[in-house]
Amino acid sequence: SQKIEQNSEALNIQEGKTATLTCNYTNYSPAYLQWYRQDPGRGPVFLLLIRENEKEKRKERLKVTFDTTLKQSLFHITASQPADSATYLCALDTQGGKLIFGQGTELSVKP
Amino acid sequence: DADVTQTPRNRITKTGKRIMLECSQTKGHDRMYWYRQDPGLGLRLIYYSFDVKDINKGEISDGYSVSRQAQAKFSLSLESAIPNQTALYFCATSDPDRGLDTGELFFGEGSRLTVL
Repeated sequence: SQKIEQNSEALNIQEGKTATLTCNYTNYSPAYLQWYRQDPGRGPVFLLLIRENEKEKRKERLKVTFDTTLKQSLFHITASQPADSATYLCALDTQGGKLIFGQGTELSVKP
Repeated sequence: DADVTQTPRNRITKTGKRIMLECSQTKGHDRMYWYRQDPGLGLRLIYYSFDVKDINKGEISDGYSVSRQAQAKFSLSLESAIPNQTALYFCATSDPDRGLDTGELFFGEGSRLTVL
């Protein structure tokens, strides 16, 4: 069955450093992959989408890579700030127009 | 006002009771989804609908049913609630006209359901 795995342990980093989150998947070849941010008690909010033929996508301090050979996406936040503290979810499209989500990685940025 | 509105936001009920969670959207999107979120398990798809006449089961549809009353409304029902249905439920919409199969999802704020 299709499986998506994100770092299960929370990631704690110092303000100003780069945060790197990992999303690995198996048994699937998605056409694209999405990243979402979720704050406690709130619904997820879309951040970035990267297609299978794109190696890298950037948006302000965010960067996403997509390696279809390794079946992995990396999500980077440069110059991290305490306001970046949240849970980050990756999601893959499936045939038929559904998204399946990883379990999320909690990021904590300390001042 | 929120584009995707879920009611109720919080609900405590007892085993065996029928519960309905409602979702309405003002985004004009055809596609709507219901997910549940449990700690450590992420978001899991319960049901989805691509238009008013289209209803599809997701990963974990057993014990749930849905109704798409209009383009803007998609309700999730638990016919006889059980404790392991205690979770945070999210409704979401998407717009396939962007040229992607799914497009980004727009989520509501969630409905926290506790079944005692």
